Amino acid sequence: EAQVTQNPRYLITVTGKKLTVTCSQNMNHEYMSWYRQDPGLGLRQIYYSMNVEVTDKGDVPEGYKVSRKEKRNFPLILESPSPNQTSLYFCASSPFGGSGELFFGEGSRLTVL
Amino acid sequence: QKEVEQDPGPLSVPEGAIVSLNCTYSNSAFQYFMWYRQYSRKGPELLMYTYSSGNKEDGRFTAQVDKSSKYISLFIRDSQPSDSATYLCAMSAQSSYKLIFGSGTRLLVRP
Repeated sequence: EAQVTQNPRYLITVTGKKLTVTCSQNMNHEYMSWYRQDPGLGLRQIYYSMNVEVTDKGDVPEGYKVSRKEKRNFPLILESPSPNQTSLYFCASSPFGGSGELFFGEGSRLTVL
Repeated sequence: QKEVEQDPGPLSVPEGAIVSLNCTYSNSAFQYFMWYRQYSRKGPELLMYTYSSGNKEDGRFTAQVDKSSKYISLFIRDSQPSDSATYLCAMSAQSSYKLIFGSGTRLLVRP
């Protein structure tokens, strides 16, 4: 089944404790992206990647890091999480770049205390 | 001002009603317009995709784009309780690598 898989789905952590949210897609898509979704603000792009080893900042990159060492994986790293990073995170992939249809994962709900 | 504005709702309608969901935008360079549906505790999934102006119909769903007014709409005919979800509009410019999303409208269809 074609899918984007994120882990963990739910996580509660404390300020400053580094964490990684993994994202993997099995559709051989070149484009991958991370979004955060907050009430009233909609989906905001954090980082995106056009291909392996090619990443760029989205609209809200502060406090996040990404890497794209393999085509299928695009992990999101929070080096020192803070409470304002409490949010619902979505990974997405696309065969057509970021302006075409996006295939989303099921989301990762992160709470930073 | 946000690039894309969308009424958050919630919008509550009885089963069988015609639903109209709307977004306005400010960037005249937008050419690709999409509607995503997001069920609770799920990721968004593409519902409708249109290029430039005009209408597109798919079953009970019709998407309309009016570029002169910078206004897009999604109509749902004969709405069903299974249509209860959050609907997100999204759009992009031809030269862009990203979609700009509206904040979503929550729809509840009452049996």
